[in-house]
Amino acid sequence: GENVEQHPSTLSVQEGDSAVIKCTYSDSASNYFPWYKQELGKRPQLIIDIRSNVGEKKDQRIAVTLNKTAKHFSLHITETQPEDSAVYFCAASKNSGGSNYKLTFGKGTLLTVNP
Amino acid sequence: DVKVTQSSRYLVKRTGEKVFLECVQDMDHENMFWYRQDPGLGLRLIYFSYDVKMKEKGDIPEGYSVSREKKERFSLILESASTNQTSMYLCASSETNTGELFFGEGSRLTVL
Repeated sequence: GENVEQHPSTLSVQEGDSAVIKCTYSDSASNYFPWYKQELGKRPQLIIDIRSNVGEKKDQRIAVTLNKTAKHFSLHITETQPEDSAVYFCAASKNSGGSNYKLTFGKGTLLTVNP
Repeated sequence: DVKVTQSSRYLVKRTGEKVFLECVQDMDHENMFWYRQDPGLGLRLIYFSYDVKMKEKGDIPEGYSVSREKKERFSLILESASTNQTSMYLCASSETNTGELFFGEGSRLTVL
């Protein structure tokens, strides 16, 4: 089955700095890579995703890059703010016949943004 | 807004008890999932279902079973609870073809 490794497990940055979280996956057939944010005491929510037909995707201060050859993908957060403090999970999945997905998650990164 | 509701936020059970965790979604999603969340271990898939009456094992199914008699409801069953099943349990649903998971608020189970 798929195996997703995520690093670092904790990350502390100063407000305004950038943060980068990296993930690697094992199954070369995986083609969907979402990122979820979980604030303290709340449910995980999707913040951005990328599919294997593109190398980069941006949404305001967050971006995700994908290197299919190396089987790794990264989340980049620029101009970090205290409200970015949360646990971030990467995930990988392949979809069979364009239909169903089964996500395998990384172990998470606790991001702390210090004011 | 998609709403995924887990019936119990906090439960305390004794070793050997049978435990039912219920999950209901209101967006007619085909797919439903049960994950377990433990510190440092991330989200691990227990069971999932792509259709009514259908179930498939995830990565850690041992000690668990599931039931999906109706499209909107997916139940996780611990036949005989053990202390190593103390955890946060997250239910999620998704549409076919999209991949995005919508999570419930979680059920924190403590087994004494």
